[in-house]
Amino acid sequence: AQSVTQLGSHVSVSEGALVLLRCNYSSSVPPYLFWYVQYPNQGLQLLLKYTTGATLVKGINGFEAEFKKSETSFHLTKPSAHMSDAAEYFCAVSDGRKGGKLIFGQGTELSVKP
Amino acid sequence: DADVTQTPRNRITKTGKRIMLECSQTKGHDRMYWYRQDPGLGLRLIYYSFDVKDINKGEISDGYSVSRQAQAKFSLSLESAIPNQTALYFCATSESRAGSGAFFGQGTRLTVV
Repeated sequence: AQSVTQLGSHVSVSEGALVLLRCNYSSSVPPYLFWYVQYPNQGLQLLLKYTTGATLVKGINGFEAEFKKSETSFHLTKPSAHMSDAAEYFCAVSDGRKGGKLIFGQGTELSVKP
Repeated sequence: DADVTQTPRNRITKTGKRIMLECSQTKGHDRMYWYRQDPGLGLRLIYYSFDVKDINKGEISDGYSVSRQAQAKFSLSLESAIPNQTALYFCATSESRAGSGAFFGQGTRLTVV
């Protein structure tokens, strides 16, 4: 079975500061990993994904994530936070055999202070 | 127009009523999903369909049913709504290839009173 744990339900940073949202996964097969963002009253938008190949993945809006198999982690980072980054972020895992069937973490709400 | 459209966007219904949430997509994807979002719990899979004749239960299917009327349409029904089904419901679609991820609709906020 697969699972995802996001460490910290709420993260608050100052504008311009580093954003780090933590995600650890459990999977018995090579995982496919995803980060989604949800702005208020909207659906989920794909930020980035890891399938195979390069372990450092770049996404939209300046975000990136690094797949670390030894640590079973896929943390999301952004060097400099912007007010518009305030949203809820979800990490998800898929085993690939089931196509887009995703298992989600609990979500992390990011607040950005001026 | 949105690629994945959910109707209605908001709905208040009474306990015991039957309600249907509808989803249609223009992405041409074979696979469709219904998720439920609750604060602090993330998104949980209710049902998924890999094609019109292939429908599968997710982790929280009790109290729900689905119908895949066509490749582009996937509806979710609550046969007898109860208050703990109050939640935000999302429809999603994906390609069949591994690692394709999913595309989400805007969500339906359902309140059962």
